Amino acid sequence: AQTVTQSQPEMSVQEAETVTLSCTYDTSENNYYLFWYKQPPSRQMILVIRQEAYKQQNATENRFSVNFQKAAKSFSLKISDSQLGDTAMYFCAFMKPSNAGGTSYGKLTFGQGTILTVHP
Amino acid sequence: ETGVTQSPTHLIKTRGQQVTLRCSSQSGHNTVSWYQQALGQGPQFIFQYYREEENGRGNFPPRFSGLQFPNYSSELNVNALELDDSALYLCASSLLGGTHTDTQYFGPGTRLTVL
Repeated sequence: AQTVTQSQPEMSVQEAETVTLSCTYDTSENNYYLFWYKQPPSRQMILVIRQEAYKQQNATENRFSVNFQKAAKSFSLKISDSQLGDTAMYFCAFMKPSNAGGTSYGKLTFGQGTILTVHP
Repeated sequence: ETGVTQSPTHLIKTRGQQVTLRCSSQSGHNTVSWYQQALGQGPQFIFQYYREEENGRGNFPPRFSGLQFPNYSSELNVNALELDDSALYLCASSLLGGTHTDTQYFGPGTRLTVL
């Protein structure tokens, strides 16, 4: 079974600065996906970024980027130029790819989450 | 493009009752997954439906059951409610077989309180 660990229960950052959230995972799979989701107080889970394990290049989405270290099973999220709207709970998640027919299904395994607060 | 919607937003039930939660998937998606999120925790996978069939199940008892309809919308049913069932229930839709397959997009959730 896969496990995902987020060792930082809470983090804070000043507006416009950079912050990095940590995530490690454990799996025996070679092909998988990793995700970061954010969940603001409104509680809707919003996709931040996705990384395919077979890709060596780190994914980026505007101010969000990841540092994916496959051998170390580490997947950290860097938020640049932090904004007040980035305040949320951030979840790291693991998924084994699914296929039709039910031999492998795409369930997300989430970490415990990191509460990020951006201060003005 | 229509996003994932869920109803109702909030629900209060008493122990032993039954509840049905509903989810409409994002247009173009064919797979729906359900998660239970206790307060302050990460979501836990309940089950997934693909083309109206259960396509995988997490560690939840049989009193948690589901349906998927031909339009890919879905229901989560919970029988014999227990106090520990109080949680946020999240629905996520995805497209199995397309580009960016498996990326799950979540609805706003249903907050269930069992008294």
